[in-house]
Amino acid sequence: GAVVSQHPSWVICKSGTSVKIECRSLDFQATTMFWYRQFPKQSLMLMATSNEGSKATYEQGVEKDKFLINHASLTLSTLTVTSAHPEDSSFYICSARDLGRDGTKNIQYFGAGTRLSVL
Amino acid sequence: GENVEQHPSTLSVQEGDSAVIKCTYSDSASNYFPWYKQELGKGPQLIIDIRSNVGEKKDQRIAVTLNKTAKHFSLHITETQPEDSAVYFCAASRGGSARQLTFGSGTQLTVLP
Repeated sequence: GAVVSQHPSWVICKSGTSVKIECRSLDFQATTMFWYRQFPKQSLMLMATSNEGSKATYEQGVEKDKFLINHASLTLSTLTVTSAHPEDSSFYICSARDLGRDGTKNIQYFGAGTRLSVL
Repeated sequence: GENVEQHPSTLSVQEGDSAVIKCTYSDSASNYFPWYKQELGKGPQLIIDIRSNVGEKKDQRIAVTLNKTAKHFSLHITETQPEDSAVYFCAASRGGSARQLTFGSGTQLTVLP
């Protein structure tokens, strides 16, 4: 299957600092990427949908000023957790949608996730 | 919006036995149903998917069945192996521009050697 690279895999930061997570589609172009948050032993919670060249669409309850998303190219989306606090500690996972050559494929591939620990 | 329910939440089977995980969905317009496997500390990996124009799809030891009338779909793993132990998530989505996935709550599968 297609490869989605997510970096870093693990980050520890001090409270009040900002952390940037990168998500890259390595062998296909992704006009749409998604950012999820996952708590231990729970399902994936969609945070926002990232569209190349336009503003991200945030799910209800997700602070857009807290979680900044930039999708500046067809292969890269970034999530910046601004002024991180301990309650932001979580496992963040990105995914990229592969539409295929004719736009009908519609398969989401996931990155390996980023474990964020805020001290 | 779409709601996906997944059962069971945990499943233990002996190595070599079969495992079945079931999901139901609420939105009759959903037409794409992928299954993901997530190992501890890793991102979900697509293992099989099915679209609404077929009732069954098989890939080696893994198969998925879809009943559109009843709005449920199932994952079947035969001849289970210890490396099949993981959390499995089902998901559903519509076609068209509204293509975001709605995930089930996950099933922790443990294959006992």
